[in-house]
Amino acid sequence: QVQLQESGPGLVKPSETLSLTCTVSGYDVSSGYHWGWVRQPPGKGLEWIGNIYYRGNTYYNPSLTSRVTISLDTSKNRFSLRLTSVTAADTAVYYCARAQGSSGSYLGYWGQGTLVTVSS
Amino acid sequence: EIVLTQSPGTLSLSPGERATLSCRASRSVSTSYLAWYQQKPGQAPRLLIYGASMRPTGIPDRFRGSGSETDFTLTISRVEPEDFAVYYCQQYGSSSLTFGGGTKVEIK
Repeated sequence: QVQLQESGPGLVKPSETLSLTCTVSGYDVSSGYHWGWVRQPPGKGLEWIGNIYYRGNTYYNPSLTSRVTISLDTSKNRFSLRLTSVTAADTAVYYCARAQGSSGSYLGYWGQGTLVTVSS
Repeated sequence: EIVLTQSPGTLSLSPGERATLSCRASRSVSTSYLAWYQQKPGQAPRLLIYGASMRPTGIPDRFRGSGSETDFTLTISRVEPEDFAVYYCQQYGSSSLTFGGGTKVEIK
């Protein structure tokens, strides 16, 4: 059974960098699939942030691409998110997920999510 | 970027009733690339439908996805108490994923 677990600081100061890690169990991230991040501001809908293919190719939401980096750490079976120059608008629950289907077209397995608040 | 518009915003139903949720796309979406998710308060979204009409293992057959091009529908044949939640459609295109704004199915 594939399981994903997000971890990282719950509070980030404005203008700083948000960094989260998603640790995967039950599947080797270097074996296949896309791995991605989605966020949800409090009381609002879902926003896709980006995916990374197991071979290292990355795909980002055009609205966030200038601030986002997703990377893969196969030695620790995890992948990470970095979002720079954060503002209060980046306050959200951040989910990691495994993207399945052709080209990683849907999200079949999700982590439980972690709330990140941007505040001084 | 393809925009997905879901309607209605809120659907008030009694258990046992039929639910019909709509997802309209601003441009044509391949049926291979349309998915639906269910989200309950405090929980992560759960995949309900992929490929417009395919159910993952473990999803009850009262959930049915249909549609093509720009009009897609999620139908819950008889709403159970555990089905009251928010439902999102999602499409993939041009190496990007986008979500609709969601439909809340609430108890009448």
